[in-house]
Amino acid sequence: AQSVSQHNHHVILSEAASLELGCNYSYGGTVNLFWYVQYPGQHLQLLLKYFSGDPLVKGIKGFEAEFIKSKFSFNLRKPSVQWSDTAEYFCAVNAYFGNEKLTFGTGTRLTIIP
Amino acid sequence: EPEVTQTPSHQVTQMGQEVILRCVPISNHLYFYWYRQILGQKVEFLVSFYNNEISEKSEIFDDQFSVERPDGSNFTLKIRSTKLEDSAMYFCASTPQLGGANHEQYFGPGTRLTVT
Repeated sequence: AQSVSQHNHHVILSEAASLELGCNYSYGGTVNLFWYVQYPGQHLQLLLKYFSGDPLVKGIKGFEAEFIKSKFSFNLRKPSVQWSDTAEYFCAVNAYFGNEKLTFGTGTRLTIIP
Repeated sequence: EPEVTQTPSHQVTQMGQEVILRCVPISNHLYFYWYRQILGQKVEFLVSFYNNEISEKSEIFDDQFSVERPDGSNFTLKIRSTKLEDSAMYFCASTPQLGGANHEQYFGPGTRLTVT
Protein backbone atom coordinates (compact mmCIF):
# COMPACT_ATOMS: atom_id res chain seq x y z
CA ALA A 1 0.00 0.00 0.00
CA GLN A 2 1.08 3.53 -0.66
CA SER A 3 1.92 5.91 2.15
CA VAL A 4 3.19 9.47 2.34
CA SER A 5 5.04 11.08 5.23
CA GLN A 6 5.34 14.78 5.83
CA HIS A 7 7.59 15.32 8.78
CA ASN A 8 6.98 19.01 9.33
CA HIS A 9 3.57 19.55 10.86
CA HIS A 10 3.81 23.29 11.38
CA VAL A 11 6.48 25.56 9.97
CA ILE A 12 6.76 29.23 10.88
CA LEU A 13 8.98 31.48 8.79
CA SER A 14 9.59 35.15 8.29
CA GLU A 15 9.01 36.71 4.92
CA ALA A 16 11.93 36.29 2.51
CA ALA A 17 13.16 33.17 4.30
CA SER A 18 13.83 30.05 2.28
CA LEU A 19 11.47 27.12 2.54
CA GLU A 20 11.90 23.40 2.30
CA LEU A 21 9.09 21.01 3.19
CA GLY A 22 9.87 17.33 3.38
CA CYS A 23 7.89 14.56 1.74
CA ASN A 24 8.76 10.88 1.65
CA TYR A 25 6.66 8.16 0.12
CA SER A 26 6.46 4.44 0.22
CA TYR A 27 5.35 2.47 -2.82
CA GLY A 28 6.68 -0.53 -4.66
CA GLY A 29 6.19 0.73 -8.21
CA THR A 30 6.52 3.83 -10.34
CA VAL A 31 4.66 6.81 -9.03
CA ASN A 32 3.33 10.21 -9.89
CA LEU A 33 4.03 12.86 -7.26
CA PHE A 34 2.13 16.01 -6.43
CA TRP A 35 2.13 18.97 -4.12
CA TYR A 36 -1.22 20.58 -3.40
CA VAL A 37 -1.83 23.79 -1.49
CA GLN A 38 -4.91 24.72 0.49
CA TYR A 39 -5.21 28.40 1.33
CA PRO A 40 -7.40 29.26 4.33
CA GLY A 41 -11.02 28.65 3.45
CA GLN A 42 -10.22 27.51 -0.07
CA HIS A 43 -10.02 24.23 -1.91
CA LEU A 44 -7.04 22.16 -2.90
CA GLN A 45 -4.97 23.61 -5.72
CA LEU A 46 -2.20 21.87 -7.58
CA LEU A 47 1.20 23.51 -7.03
CA LEU A 48 3.26 21.14 -9.12
CA LYS A 49 3.51 17.58 -10.29
CA TYR A 50 6.07 15.03 -11.34
CA PHE A 51 5.26 12.28 -13.82
CA SER A 52 8.59 11.55 -15.50
CA GLY A 53 11.68 13.22 -16.96
CA ASP A 54 13.60 16.01 -15.23
CA PRO A 55 13.41 15.30 -11.50
CA LEU A 56 13.42 19.03 -10.72
CA VAL A 57 9.97 20.36 -11.41
CA LYS A 58 8.82 23.93 -11.25
CA GLY A 59 5.33 24.91 -10.28
CA ILE A 60 3.26 27.98 -9.77
CA LYS A 61 4.12 30.90 -7.50
CA GLY A 62 7.86 30.20 -7.54
CA PHE A 63 7.67 26.75 -5.97
CA GLU A 64 9.79 23.83 -7.10
CA ALA A 65 10.29 20.25 -5.99
CA GLU A 66 12.95 17.66 -6.55
CA PHE A 67 12.25 13.97 -6.96
CA ILE A 68 15.08 11.88 -5.52
CA LYS A 69 14.21 8.30 -6.37
CA SER A 70 16.91 6.76 -4.19
CA LYS A 71 15.52 8.55 -1.16
CA PHE A 72 11.83 8.19 -2.08
CA SER A 73 11.58 11.90 -1.52
CA PHE A 74 9.84 14.82 -3.19
CA ASN A 75 10.68 17.90 -1.15
CA LEU A 76 9.06 21.23 -1.86
CA ARG A 77 11.20 24.36 -1.97
CA LYS A 78 10.88 28.07 -2.42
CA PRO A 79 13.86 30.43 -2.17
CA SER A 80 11.97 33.38 -0.68
CA VAL A 81 8.53 33.03 0.88
CA GLN A 82 5.84 35.68 1.05
CA TRP A 83 3.09 36.30 3.57
CA SER A 84 0.60 35.07 0.95
CA ASP A 85 2.20 31.62 1.04
CA THR A 86 0.54 31.01 4.41
CA ALA A 87 -1.43 27.82 3.77
CA GLU A 88 -1.56 24.06 4.28
CA TYR A 89 0.65 22.06 1.94
CA PHE A 90 -0.07 18.46 1.04
CA CYS A 91 2.20 15.99 -0.68
CA ALA A 92 0.40 13.23 -2.59
CA VAL A 93 1.25 10.19 -4.65
CA ASN A 94 -0.50 7.80 -6.98
CA ALA A 95 0.52 4.91 -9.15
CA TYR A 96 2.00 5.80 -12.53
CA PHE A 97 -0.29 3.52 -14.52
CA GLY A 98 -4.03 3.70 -14.32
CA ASN A 99 -6.21 6.39 -12.84
CA GLU A 100 -5.35 5.59 -9.30
CA LYS A 101 -6.47 7.21 -6.09
CA LEU A 102 -4.27 9.85 -4.55
CA THR A 103 -2.68 9.08 -1.21
CA PHE A 104 -2.03 12.24 0.76
CA GLY A 105 0.37 13.08 3.52
CA THR A 106 -0.87 14.63 6.73
CA GLY A 107 -0.02 18.11 5.52
CA THR A 108 2.27 20.88 6.68
CA ARG A 109 0.82 24.10 7.96
CA LEU A 110 3.00 27.00 6.85
CA THR A 111 2.72 30.32 8.64
CA ILE A 112 4.62 33.28 7.24
CA ILE A 113 5.23 36.18 9.58
CA PRO A 114 5.33 39.56 7.84
CA GLU B 1 -10.84 27.63 -17.18
CA PRO B 2 -13.21 24.73 -16.48
CA GLU B 3 -13.70 23.89 -12.82
CA VAL B 4 -15.18 21.16 -10.70
CA THR B 5 -18.14 22.54 -8.78
CA GLN B 6 -19.80 21.20 -5.64
CA THR B 7 -23.06 21.92 -3.89
CA PRO B 8 -23.94 22.75 -1.24
CA SER B 9 -20.90 24.46 0.24
CA HIS B 10 -22.08 23.63 3.75
CA GLN B 11 -24.62 21.05 4.85
CA VAL B 12 -25.84 20.61 8.39
CA THR B 13 -27.81 17.47 9.16
CA GLN B 14 -28.96 15.48 12.13
CA MET B 15 -27.52 12.09 12.95
CA GLY B 16 -29.38 9.33 11.15
CA GLN B 17 -30.50 11.51 8.27
CA GLU B 18 -29.61 10.91 4.64
CA VAL B 19 -27.53 13.45 2.78
CA ILE B 20 -26.63 13.80 -0.87
CA LEU B 21 -23.56 15.77 -1.85
CA ARG B 22 -23.43 16.94 -5.42
CA CYS B 23 -20.56 17.47 -7.80
CA VAL B 24 -20.31 18.59 -11.39
CA PRO B 25 -17.00 17.36 -12.80
CA ILE B 26 -15.26 19.01 -15.72
CA SER B 27 -17.27 18.11 -18.79
CA ASN B 28 -14.82 15.95 -20.77
CA HIS B 29 -13.44 14.10 -17.75
CA LEU B 30 -13.86 10.37 -17.42
CA TYR B 31 -12.74 9.42 -13.90
CA PHE B 32 -14.38 10.76 -10.78
CA TYR B 33 -13.40 10.62 -7.14
CA TRP B 34 -14.63 11.46 -3.70
CA TYR B 35 -12.25 12.29 -0.88
CA ARG B 36 -12.88 13.54 2.61
CA GLN B 37 -10.91 15.55 5.15
CA ILE B 38 -11.88 15.37 8.78
CA LEU B 39 -10.96 18.62 10.51
CA GLY B 40 -7.25 18.68 11.30
CA GLN B 41 -6.55 15.41 9.50
CA LYS B 42 -5.28 14.44 6.08
CA VAL B 43 -7.29 14.08 2.93
CA GLU B 44 -8.52 10.49 2.56
CA PHE B 45 -9.68 8.65 -0.52
CA LEU B 46 -13.24 7.33 -0.46
CA VAL B 47 -14.13 6.05 -3.90
CA SER B 48 -13.31 6.25 -7.59
CA PHE B 49 -15.84 5.90 -10.38
CA TYR B 50 -15.48 5.20 -14.06
CA ASN B 51 -17.87 4.12 -16.79
CA ASN B 52 -20.82 4.20 -14.41
CA GLU B 53 -19.36 1.90 -11.85
CA ILE B 54 -17.09 1.99 -8.84
CA SER B 55 -13.44 1.37 -9.73
CA GLU B 56 -12.08 1.29 -6.22
CA LYS B 57 -13.29 2.09 -2.74
CA SER B 58 -11.61 2.48 0.60
CA GLU B 59 -12.46 0.89 3.92
CA ILE B 60 -14.26 4.08 4.87
CA PHE B 61 -16.72 3.62 2.00
CA ASP B 62 -19.03 1.15 3.69
CA ASP B 63 -22.64 0.25 2.95
CA GLN B 64 -23.82 3.62 4.22
CA PHE B 65 -22.17 5.30 1.25
CA SER B 66 -23.14 5.19 -2.40
CA VAL B 67 -22.22 7.11 -5.53
CA GLU B 68 -24.14 7.76 -8.67
CA ARG B 69 -23.86 9.60 -11.94
CA PRO B 70 -27.56 10.16 -12.55
CA ASP B 71 -27.09 12.14 -15.75
CA GLY B 72 -24.27 13.27 -17.99
CA SER B 73 -23.05 15.98 -15.67
CA ASN B 74 -23.70 15.29 -11.98
CA PHE B 75 -21.78 12.95 -9.70
CA THR B 76 -23.31 12.40 -6.29
CA LEU B 77 -22.25 10.95 -2.96
CA LYS B 78 -25.04 9.71 -0.74
CA ILE B 79 -24.66 8.92 2.93
CA ARG B 80 -27.69 6.88 3.92
CA SER B 81 -27.71 7.35 7.68
CA THR B 82 -25.21 9.93 8.85
CA LYS B 83 -23.10 9.51 11.95
CA LEU B 84 -21.29 12.14 13.98
CA GLU B 85 -17.97 10.87 12.62
CA ASP B 86 -19.09 11.62 9.06
CA SER B 87 -18.58 15.30 9.80
CA ALA B 88 -15.85 16.36 7.39
CA MET B 89 -15.07 18.30 4.25
CA TYR B 90 -15.93 16.21 1.22
CA PHE B 91 -14.04 16.87 -1.99
CA CYS B 92 -14.97 15.73 -5.46
CA ALA B 93 -12.26 15.38 -8.09
CA SER B 94 -12.09 14.42 -11.73
CA THR B 95 -9.46 13.58 -14.30
CA PRO B 96 -9.64 13.40 -18.07
CA GLN B 97 -7.32 10.59 -18.83
CA LEU B 98 -8.07 6.99 -19.54
CA GLY B 99 -4.76 5.36 -18.78
CA GLY B 100 -1.56 7.11 -19.75
CA ALA B 101 0.79 9.12 -17.61
CA ASN B 102 -1.06 12.36 -16.94
CA HIS B 103 -3.03 11.77 -13.77
CA GLU B 104 -3.62 15.24 -12.44
CA GLN B 105 -6.86 15.34 -10.51
CA TYR B 106 -8.87 18.52 -10.43
CA PHE B 107 -10.56 19.20 -7.13
CA GLY B 108 -13.78 20.96 -6.35
CA PRO B 109 -14.12 23.49 -3.51
CA GLY B 110 -15.61 20.92 -1.15
CA THR B 111 -18.78 20.52 0.87
CA ARG B 112 -18.49 20.89 4.59
CA LEU B 113 -20.79 18.34 6.20
CA THR B 114 -21.68 18.86 9.84
CA VAL B 115 -23.61 16.09 11.57
CA THR B 116 -25.24 17.06 14.85
